[in-house]
Amino acid sequence: DTAVSQTPKYLVTQMGNDKSIKCEQNLGHDTMYWYKQDSKKFLKIMFSYNNKELIINETVPNRFSPKSPDKAHLNLHINSLELGDSAVYFCASSFMRKSSGNTIYFGEGSWLTVV
Amino acid sequence: KNEVEQSPQNLTAQEGEFITINCSYSVGISALHWLQQHPGGGIVSLFMLSSGKKKHGRLIATINIQEKHSSLHITASHPRDSAVYICAVLSNTGNQFYFGTGTSLTVIP
Repeated sequence: DTAVSQTPKYLVTQMGNDKSIKCEQNLGHDTMYWYKQDSKKFLKIMFSYNNKELIINETVPNRFSPKSPDKAHLNLHINSLELGDSAVYFCASSFMRKSSGNTIYFGEGSWLTVV
Repeated sequence: KNEVEQSPQNLTAQEGEFITINCSYSVGISALHWLQQHPGGGIVSLFMLSSGKKKHGRLIATINIQEKHSSLHITASHPRDSAVYICAVLSNTGNQFYFGTGTSLTVIP
C-alpha cells in the first residue's frame, strides 16, 4: 500500500488556470507538508500542517492555498497559474515529536507544467 | 546561506568505486535524513540518524553531532546507484525539515 499518495502525477495546464493537487497518507501521521522542488533539485518548504492546523507557511504567493480536511489529507490549490509555477511538488508526512527524530515519507511528486 | 550544505554537487564514478557524499548543517537538529531520488522519480528515505553510524547493504551513513557533519558512503558502487542524494535535517524545535541542494551521482559501467 502506498504510504503517501499524490494525484495527479503529471499535470500540464495553461497560464491563468486554477488547479489542485491532492495528497493522502495512510501512516497515521499527524503532520503533512508541501514542498516545491526547483530546477536545481532544491526542496523548499511551502506549508506544513499539524493535526489540520497550519504551522508553517513560508513566503509563497497567496495564489497557493493549502487545505487539510482531516489529518490524513493535505491538498494544494493553485489559482491563476503562472509559468514560474512549473515545478515538481512533493507532499510528505511525518510524526511531530520534538523529543525524537521522525522519518519523513514523501509522495512520488506531481510534475506541474504551465504553458 | 542554506542551513544544510552538501558536497560535491555532482559526482561521476566508475562502477566499483567507493563514494562519499558530505553534509554539513548549521542548525540544531534532532535527526538527519539521507534521501534518494532517482531520475524522474520520487524521493525515498535511506537513513534517519541521530548519532553514530548506520549500515544498510552497501550504504553507510555516519553523523558527528559535535561537528554538525554527516557522510553517506556507497561501497562497490553500481550504475543503479545513479541518483540524486539529498541530506535533510529535522530541526530540534521538531517542526521543520531543512534540505541540502542534493548531490547528483552518476556511476558509469
